[in-house]
Amino acid sequence: DAKTTQPPSMDCAEGRAANLPCNHSTISGNEYVYWYRQIHSQGPQYIIHGLKNNETNEMASLIITEDRKSSTLILPHATLRDTAVYYCIVRAASNTGKLIFGQGTTLQVKP
Amino acid sequence: GAGVSQSPSNKVTEKGKDVELRCDPISGHTALYWYRQSLGQGLEFLIYFQGNSAPDKSGLPSDRFSAERTGGSVSTLTIQRTQQEDSAVYLCASSPIPGGDIQYFGAGTRLSVL
Repeated sequence: DAKTTQPPSMDCAEGRAANLPCNHSTISGNEYVYWYRQIHSQGPQYIIHGLKNNETNEMASLIITEDRKSSTLILPHATLRDTAVYYCIVRAASNTGKLIFGQGTTLQVKP
Repeated sequence: GAGVSQSPSNKVTEKGKDVELRCDPISGHTALYWYRQSLGQGLEFLIYFQGNSAPDKSGLPSDRFSAERTGGSVSTLTIQRTQQEDSAVYLCASSPIPGGDIQYFGAGTRLSVL
């Protein structure tokens, strides 16, 4: 699975958009980009995933560059409850589906 | 509906004792995963179940660790002769399809070995 690079921490003002970058320059053509987040004292929570097209759901939007070497998770109107560690994971479909988590980005949403 | 349930939520044990951690996956989910999250170590994969069989046990750190799943549902992770380095949060996740990359996690069991 491709390696990812994320900034260790970011701040965002409440009500503003939070844009979390992820670099995955060695991504292969069959690898998807997944985002999970982990709020303090909870288990990780799936947010969104994509292959090459931009994706949007009720939680967030995922923008993947045309060369697929990087992506951005966008939380359009961040709230205090969005404070969490955000993990970008790149992987191909597999028989086992195990997730390999990096260090992620700690997003602090401030009032 | 009910999510993934793990018990106990907290467990304190003495070094050398055995512990059992339980996971109740979401009903109907065939895939079940155990992960461990240690301070400063991040989330590590331990084992994957598809039904009652475990095709991937590659993350179990030693032979003191074992897991089983019965009836395609409940899973138990057992740690024998616990050591202080086993202290961590043990997380269980389930998925509705084999090898599913969209996984639903429980809140975890925090294990403290004194």
